[in-house]
Amino acid sequence: KNQVEQSPQSLIILEGKNCTLQCNYTVSPFSNLRWYKQDTGRGPVSLTIMTFSENTKSNGRYTATLDADTKQSSLHITASQLSDSASYICVVSADAGKSTFGDGTTLTVKP
Amino acid sequence: NAGVTQTPKFQVLKTGQSMTLQCAQDMNHNSMYWYRQDPGMGLRLIYYSASEGTTDKGEVPNGYNVSRLNKREFSLRLESAAPSQTSVYFCASLSRGPHTDTQYFGPGTRLTVL
Repeated sequence: KNQVEQSPQSLIILEGKNCTLQCNYTVSPFSNLRWYKQDTGRGPVSLTIMTFSENTKSNGRYTATLDADTKQSSLHITASQLSDSASYICVVSADAGKSTFGDGTTLTVKP
Repeated sequence: NAGVTQTPKFQVLKTGQSMTLQCAQDMNHNSMYWYRQDPGMGLRLIYYSASEGTTDKGEVPNGYNVSRLNKREFSLRLESAAPSQTSVYFCASLSRGPHTDTQYFGPGTRLTVL
């Protein structure tokens, strides 16, 4: 069964600090991996998309990495801001177009 | 571009009532999706439509029906609402590129069934 596991479930950091969120998956055959940011009360918004051949992708202060051999991805947030407080969702798609969603990591950035 | 729009934003139903959630996208995407998101859980796929005129069941289709009215619109119907269907419902459409694809989500409909 295709699964996506995210850790930690929740995280609290101080403004200005860095943090890293993890995503492990068992989806096969792999097509792409996406990270979404979901603000409270809103729909998810795409941050990064990576295919099999890509091992890193940046979007401003967000940097995602992918290790297709170990089936792991991470999302690194640099110099966190209060507006980074949100849920971060890892989504892995198989070749058939079916997507498996992780349960998300809830990040709280405190002043 | 409005992207993906959903109506209504909020709805309260009594058990047994019916309603239709509306979704529209103006990005000319072929594929559209309906998800539900329960507190503390990931999104679960209810139904999807790979193209106009086709619909398929997702992970949790029971209690729901869908209609792909045209390329722009994809509606979700609850024929007889149950408290277990209390959730936030998200519609999404899919942009396919030469190397990858991405989903665009609507703002969600918050449904409470009493």
